[in-house]
Amino acid sequence: QSVLTQPPSVSGAPGQRVTISCTGSSSNIGAGYDVHWYQQLPGTAPKLLIYGNSNRPSGVPDRFSGSKSGTSASLAITGLQAEDEADYYCQSYDSSLSGNWVFGGGTKLTVL
Amino acid sequence: QVQLQESGPGLVKPSETLSLTCTVSGGSISSYYWSWIRQPPGKGLEWIGYIYYSGSTNYNPSLKSRVTISVDTSKNQFSLKLSSVTAADTAVYYCARGLGVTAIPVGYWGQGTLVTVSS
Repeated sequence: QSVLTQPPSVSGAPGQRVTISCTGSSSNIGAGYDVHWYQQLPGTAPKLLIYGNSNRPSGVPDRFSGSKSGTSASLAITGLQAEDEADYYCQSYDSSLSGNWVFGGGTKLTVL
Repeated sequence: QVQLQESGPGLVKPSETLSLTCTVSGGSISSYYWSWIRQPPGKGLEWIGYIYYSGSTNYNPSLKSRVTISVDTSKNQFSLKLSSVTAADTAVYYCARGLGVTAIPVGYWGQGTLVTVSS
């Protein structure tokens, strides 16, 4: 059971918009800690997609965006492409676990 | 561009100690936080711990009693030791670095190395 809750799977057709939620609590996201998102393509290491809730590292397309509100965060992907099919993970800090980073359980995005 | 490469045995016997090394190239190990993260087959990511180049560490409380992370600045390497391993420690182990001068977000990842715990 992950501290941050993500839907196991989401899907969408090419060109569509999908969102992936990341639900936490008052000891992590709700406490104001930043949320970061990673994309993991099959058989590869994760890659930083969004940091500090809504910032994109250099090279990440603006089709990817992040937001945070209350105890939750969301990753939105617009103009869905086949190469977006991957696992997505959110990450934050949890103050109740002695300085522990926490990851969401991951969401598998399927492009139909 | 900084690059990280994990190395170590791919097979460890139960109750023994898992030892991995991460070699950093393309940049200095100084002034950054260096982490270990693992991923059991077919499952999600789990933070193991991190070390600052000066040697200060922070470990996942669930693993703290078994984990030691150390750094060798002269070799531009840092290492992971996980003792008393069981099959539940079978995973792909990633070494990583923060994007900037903080431990997270993780901006740089090694390719990962699969460690299997089996007799």
